[in-house]
Amino acid sequence: AQSVTQLDSQVPVFEEAPVELRCNYSSSVSVYLFWYVQYPNQGLQLLLKYLSGSTLVKGINGFEAEFNKSQTSFHLRKPSVHISDTAEYFCAVSEWTGGFKTIFGAGTRLFVKA
Amino acid sequence: SAVISQKPSRDICQRGTSLTIQCQVDSQVTMMFWYRQQPGQSLTLIATANQGSEATYESGFVIDKFPISRPNLTFSTLTVSNMSPEDSSIYLCSVEGQYNEQFFGPGTRLTVL
Repeated sequence: AQSVTQLDSQVPVFEEAPVELRCNYSSSVSVYLFWYVQYPNQGLQLLLKYLSGSTLVKGINGFEAEFNKSQTSFHLRKPSVHISDTAEYFCAVSEWTGGFKTIFGAGTRLFVKA
Repeated sequence: SAVISQKPSRDICQRGTSLTIQCQVDSQVTMMFWYRQQPGQSLTLIATANQGSEATYESGFVIDKFPISRPNLTFSTLTVSNMSPEDSSIYLCSVEGQYNEQFFGPGTRLTVL
């Protein structure tokens, strides 16, 4: 069975500071990895995805994530955050078990302060 | 990516009543998914809706409580039946992309009194 752990429930940072949101997963097979963002009172929006190939993937809004197979991690980073990045961020893992199944992490609330 | 709309966007309902949530996609899709996001929590898959067949429910969710319709390739409904305050959640529909990424609707925020 797969699981997704987001190690921080809340991350407060100052504007223009760098940020890293951590995600670890467990799975016995190859997986697809995703980060989604949920702005207040909205649905989820895909930020980026890792399918295969280069372990560093770039997404929208200046975010990037790095897949580390040995550590089973997929941490999300941004070198300089804006107030508008304040949102909930969800890591998700999809694996094939006779059909694709996606498990979401518990979410990390990023709060950017002026 | 698909464009997905949901109706209603929010509702406040009385205990014991039912609410039907509609989900419309701007393109034909094989599978549509219904998720629940309880306050302050992550997403839990309720069921997968395939056109022309019964929905497939995840563990902990049953058809009597969450009946689903899928009359065509662009539309689905989820009904939350005999509601209690514990059903207060955001309900989201989604479709999947080529690599199993999910495209979500804006959600329906349900409050049960």
